[in-house]
Amino acid sequence: DGGITQSPKYLFRKEGQNVTLSCEQNLNHDAMYWYRQDPGQGLRLIYYSQIVNDFQKGDIAEGYSVSREKKESFPLTVTSAQKNPTAFYLCASSTGQTTNEKLFFGSGTQLSVL
Amino acid sequence: AQSVTQPDIHITVSEGASLELRCNYSYGATPYLFWYVQSPGQGLQLLLKYFSGDTLVQGIKGFEAEFKRSQSSFNLRKPSVHWSDAAEYFCAVGVSGGYQKVTFGTGTKLQVIP
Repeated sequence: DGGITQSPKYLFRKEGQNVTLSCEQNLNHDAMYWYRQDPGQGLRLIYYSQIVNDFQKGDIAEGYSVSREKKESFPLTVTSAQKNPTAFYLCASSTGQTTNEKLFFGSGTQLSVL
Repeated sequence: AQSVTQPDIHITVSEGASLELRCNYSYGATPYLFWYVQSPGQGLQLLLKYFSGDTLVQGIKGFEAEFKRSQSSFNLRKPSVHWSDAAEYFCAVGVSGGYQKVTFGTGTKLQVIP
């Protein structure tokens, strides 16, 4: 079945540590996105990539980094510069051709600070 | 820039009762409008979308939404709620140019009681 796989489902970060969240898709989609979800705040865009080897900052990129070396993969690194990383992180993808298309989501990673 | 408001944080309905979830947007022109649903600990799934044409839009799982330009609203409705509809519902508004330009609302959590 085609879809988006996020791993791990739960992740714990120690003080000063960088952690990487995995996102893989087999939908052959060009565009991929990372969102952060906090209770009562909806989804906020962290980074997006419309094509391999290219990505752009979203609304809350500070303290995060990404790479897009393969079409299928869009990992997110939460760096030690992100002082409040506890949140639910969602990866999504789309064909990237229009805004009115469907966005496909992974099942998310819950990141907590130890 | 566009914005979206979901005034109800939490709604409780009885199984079999009708449902209406409110969504108001702010944008100068006709936007793209979406409703997504999220089960606990999961990603989001598209219920329906509007970008032009008939202002009454049918979606999956028996949901519908009506675009009312005069009221800047895109309310979600279902005539008879099932226990499996308990979830969080997000309205989103976008403009042309890709999903990086989509703004999500803060969500409405639906509880269904027997």
